[in-house]
Amino acid sequence: GNSVTQMEGPVTLSEEAFLTINCTYTATGYPSLFWYVQYPGEGLQLLLKATKADDKGSNKGFEATYRKETTSFHLEKGSVQVSDSAVYFCALRGNQGGKLIFGQGTELSVKP
Amino acid sequence: GAVVSQHPSRVICKSGTSVKIECRSLDFQATTMFWYRQFPKQSLMLMATSNEGSKATYEQGVEKDKFLINHASLTLSTLTVTSAHPEDSSFYICSAREGTDNEKLFFGSGTQLSVL
Repeated sequence: GNSVTQMEGPVTLSEEAFLTINCTYTATGYPSLFWYVQYPGEGLQLLLKATKADDKGSNKGFEATYRKETTSFHLEKGSVQVSDSAVYFCALRGNQGGKLIFGQGTELSVKP
Repeated sequence: GAVVSQHPSRVICKSGTSVKIECRSLDFQATTMFWYRQFPKQSLMLMATSNEGSKATYEQGVEKDKFLINHASLTLSTLTVTSAHPEDSSFYICSAREGTDNEKLFFGSGTQLSVL
């Protein structure tokens, strides 16, 4: 069945450092891929998405490229801020629609 | 943006008791709500899908008699963990969908359940 695997956290970075959070997936067909972010005390929010191969999703300085050849959707940001401290979830939805499949989440802590 | 309120945020209970978790859509009507569970270091897993006015659909391996879901109105769904045991200790998250657009999916902030 479909599944998502993301790098374990916590990830601790200094402000202005480069961020990569790895995400790989297993799915049949052509799923849509998502990154969600959960700030402390809040619900998950959609951060960005990509619906087909080679698409790049971007938002708030974050980017992720849908790589079908490596079944990956790694999240990147060139310069993180303290306010980016949160838990990040990679997810997919199959090309037939259906339920969201999540990874386990990666906690990011950015220190000033 | 749309807001989903989930209460309580944290609950500690004794083994054998029942716990109710509420999920409310505050500024939109949610025909469909979803309940997830996350054990430490594991993925967020869908437990069940509830549609207003009808019975919930449970994922494989989730006991419907243990996890009672009620979605009696377009703004409220409840999850009751009946006769809770320590193995039910987990993080529970609800989400609500506005209409049928899967992109309009909004999440509660979660409930940490600890069963002693």
